[in-house]
Amino acid sequence: EAQVTQNPRYLITVTGKKLTVTCSQNMNHEYMSWYRQDPGLGLRQIYYSMNVEVTDKGDVPEGYKVSRKEKRNFPLILESPSPNQTSLYFCASSSRGLSEKLLFGSGTQLSVL
Amino acid sequence: AQKITQTQPGMFVQEKEAVTLDCTYDTSDQSYGLFWYKQPSSGEMIFLIYQGSYDEQNATEGRYSLNFQKARKSANLVISASQLGDSAMYFCAMREVNTGFQKLVFGTGTRLLVSP
Repeated sequence: EAQVTQNPRYLITVTGKKLTVTCSQNMNHEYMSWYRQDPGLGLRQIYYSMNVEVTDKGDVPEGYKVSRKEKRNFPLILESPSPNQTSLYFCASSSRGLSEKLLFGSGTQLSVL
Repeated sequence: AQKITQTQPGMFVQEKEAVTLDCTYDTSDQSYGLFWYKQPSSGEMIFLIYQGSYDEQNATEGRYSLNFQKARKSANLVISASQLGDSAMYFCAMREVNTGFQKLVFGTGTRLLVSP
């Protein structure tokens, strides 16, 4: 079954404690992306990757890091989380192309205290 | 500038009626794609329908259709015969050629509530 697997589903942490949200896809998609969803703001892109070792900033990259060492994996790293990073995070992937729909992971609800 | 505008924070419809969710977009590209996603209360993002800028026919997928008016830069989602399970957040999104297809930009969403 084609899927994007994101873990953990829920995460509560404290300010400054480094964390990683994992994302893996089994469809051999070139394109992967991270979004955060906040009430009234929709989904905003954090980082994206067009292929292995190719990553670039989205609209809200501050405070986040990513890596793409393997095609299937695209972890999101918060080196020093702050309360304003409390949000619902989604990983998504697709093939290249204008009409290629994004397939989303199930989301990670992060709370930073 | 906002690329995707969804002006209806919330919509209310009775079961079996049709409802239109508005979406306008801003682009200078000639080639772009428009998407609609559904997010039920469980939180997952579900793809509904796609419309390409060069598609002459409005896209349809079952009870979903996209009312595409290119000159007005609008891509409204029409849900026919609403069902209780249609209650959810709905997001409009756009992909442009000039970003190398790298960005799928989303609107702020419309919450639809379907009543019995």
